[in-house]
Amino acid sequence: QKEVEQNSGPLSVPEGAIASLNCTYSDRGSQSFFWYRQYSGKSPELIMSIYSNGDKEDGRFTAQLNKASQYVSLLIRDSQPSDSATYLCAVNPSGAGSYQLTFGKGTKLSVIP
Amino acid sequence: EAQVTQNPRYLITVTGKKLTVTCSQNMNHEYMSWYRQDPGLGLRQIYYSMNVEVTDKGDVPEGYKVSRKEKRNFPLILESPSPNQTSLYFCASSSLGEVSYEQYFGPGTRLTVT
Repeated sequence: QKEVEQNSGPLSVPEGAIASLNCTYSDRGSQSFFWYRQYSGKSPELIMSIYSNGDKEDGRFTAQLNKASQYVSLLIRDSQPSDSATYLCAVNPSGAGSYQLTFGKGTKLSVIP
Repeated sequence: EAQVTQNPRYLITVTGKKLTVTCSQNMNHEYMSWYRQDPGLGLRQIYYSMNVEVTDKGDVPEGYKVSRKEKRNFPLILESPSPNQTSLYFCASSSLGEVSYEQYFGPGTRLTVT
């Protein structure tokens, strides 16, 4: 069973702080990694994708990937109340012709004004 | 505007009454998928399609059917809905690039079966 694990939270951070969200995955051959943001009752929205080891920055968001440790994280700098949402980690498992995503159950982030 | 659309957005029905939830995308994506989302269980894949006339089961296919007669449309059919199919349903689509499998989601359909 290919699994993606996240702390369910809630993770509470004060406005302006850095929020750090973590994700581990079981399939060592996984190639593609994604972070989605989901507001309550809304659809998941893709905010970051990362495919190689290291950091990838996009505005206030930084995704970090360490394939050796099977670990991917998302940092949100200068957190805003509008960042309060559930963040889903998604992994594309290995395997020929595999285009599916396995999702973690999500971490709920609350940014306190 | 590039988007995935679903209809209806909300549906209340009774046990056993056949229903169809439509999904359409305008991005010429090959890959389309249906998920259900339930509290504590996360997103689970129901069915997916790699292209026209090519469909396959996901993790929770029981009680559902799909078809892919056109590239842009991927309807989800519940032939005899039961209360355990009450859930929030999402359709998603993706191109089949060599590296990137970024999936884009529709707005969701909240289904209640009584």
